[in-house]
Amino acid sequence: GQNIDQPTEMTATEGAIVQINCTYQTSGFNGLFWYQQHAGEAPTFLSYNVLDGLEEKGRFSSFLSRSKGYSYLLLKELQMKDSASYLCAVRDPGGSQGNLIFGKGTKLSVKP
Amino acid sequence: DVKVTQSSRYLVKRTGEKVFLECVQDMDHENMFWYRQDPGLGLRLIYFSYDVKMKEKGDIPEGYSVSREKKERFSLILESASTNQTSMYLCASSLGPPEAFFGQGTRLTVV
Repeated sequence: GQNIDQPTEMTATEGAIVQINCTYQTSGFNGLFWYQQHAGEAPTFLSYNVLDGLEEKGRFSSFLSRSKGYSYLLLKELQMKDSASYLCAVRDPGGSQGNLIFGKGTKLSVKP
Repeated sequence: DVKVTQSSRYLVKRTGEKVFLECVQDMDHENMFWYRQDPGLGLRLIYFSYDVKMKEKGDIPEGYSVSREKKERFSLILESASTNQTSMYLCASSLGPPEAFFGQGTRLTVV
């Protein structure tokens, strides 16, 4: 089976840096994804890691360690608009291409 | 831009009714998915389809069925709606990694 864990809620200050962790236990692994979801809206794709290391995309970076079953999403220079839920997801190797298993999400609140 | 369109944003149905949720994508994607999202439970996969007329059960298929008669359209059917099916329903489509594109969601209330 698959198990994906991430913190339920986090709070950070505008302008600061925040790291959202995700750990997973899976029988196989075909990639880890981060999505952002604002309240009442659809999730939108942020990043994809399939190899170990850091992927940087503007203010957002995502890190993966396959041996540790661990990823994090790093948000720099936080803005109020970054208040949202952040979903960690693992691609299920036993399913069809693109079948994602999601964690429960981390609700990030950015304070002034 | 990829567009995934769900037919309704908000829907209220009565217990026992048959409910159809429609999803259409405009990017010729093979893969389409139906999730439900509940507080504290996250996104859970109901059904997915990797081709026309093909369907696979996800984690929570009970009480649901799906139809994929055309590549661009994937329908979720609640055969006999129950109050525990009150939820946010999200449709997604993808060609494969890395991205899945989501629709805006349908918030279904069963009374």
